Amino acid sequence: DTEVTQTPKHLVMGMTNKKSLKCEQHMGHRAMYWYKQKAKKPPELMFVYSYEKLSINESVPSRFSPECPNSSLLNLHLHALQPEDSALYLCASSHGYREEAFFGQGTRLTVV
Amino acid sequence: DAKTTQPPSMDCAEGRAANLPCNHSTISGNEYVYWYRQIHSQGPQYIIHGLKNNETNEMASLIITEDRKSSTLILPHATLRDTAVYYCIVRAGNQFYFGTGTSLTVIP
Repeated sequence: DTEVTQTPKHLVMGMTNKKSLKCEQHMGHRAMYWYKQKAKKPPELMFVYSYEKLSINESVPSRFSPECPNSSLLNLHLHALQPEDSALYLCASSHGYREEAFFGQGTRLTVV
Repeated sequence: DAKTTQPPSMDCAEGRAANLPCNHSTISGNEYVYWYRQIHSQGPQYIIHGLKNNETNEMASLIITEDRKSSTLILPHATLRDTAVYYCIVRAGNQFYFGTGTSLTVIP
């Protein structure tokens, strides 16, 4: 199994809503990543978890709250988002930096 | 983290080799060069990576210059399905930052 599974595939939420994005992998990878990608732009790194601990936070606004409940699961909790937060949110995982990272297909988020 | 520079776009005739260049002049000794591609807002797909030796797999070849300041991804026989944005990434540990990428169009 070399899949990173992201749910939901699409999400529409209002600016006052609270929602969560989910990412799951069963490859035994100990590093997991969240990226944000706007249209026609490269993915931008948001957070990195290593061994279930947050190791990188790229100065992301607090309305985005990551959580790594166990080594297979990564969540991104969303609250009070703005329309400009609409984007494709990508999750990835890797075993180590000498090996490739696997990406999920993303969650297409629209904030209305 | 080292930055990468790639041409914004390239064309390649179907069946010909596609050679995609990448400059990473500030790369450090322990940083790997990775290549990914992304087709129409799907998740990025891994292609190949290397440290200093040239690498080949079933998808592509990676040529890294001796000083490691640049590399070239070679798709030996491009097909229409290879039309995508190709990203060259210099990776140190868990710092995995995408550059601006090259939009490759394979022309029939």
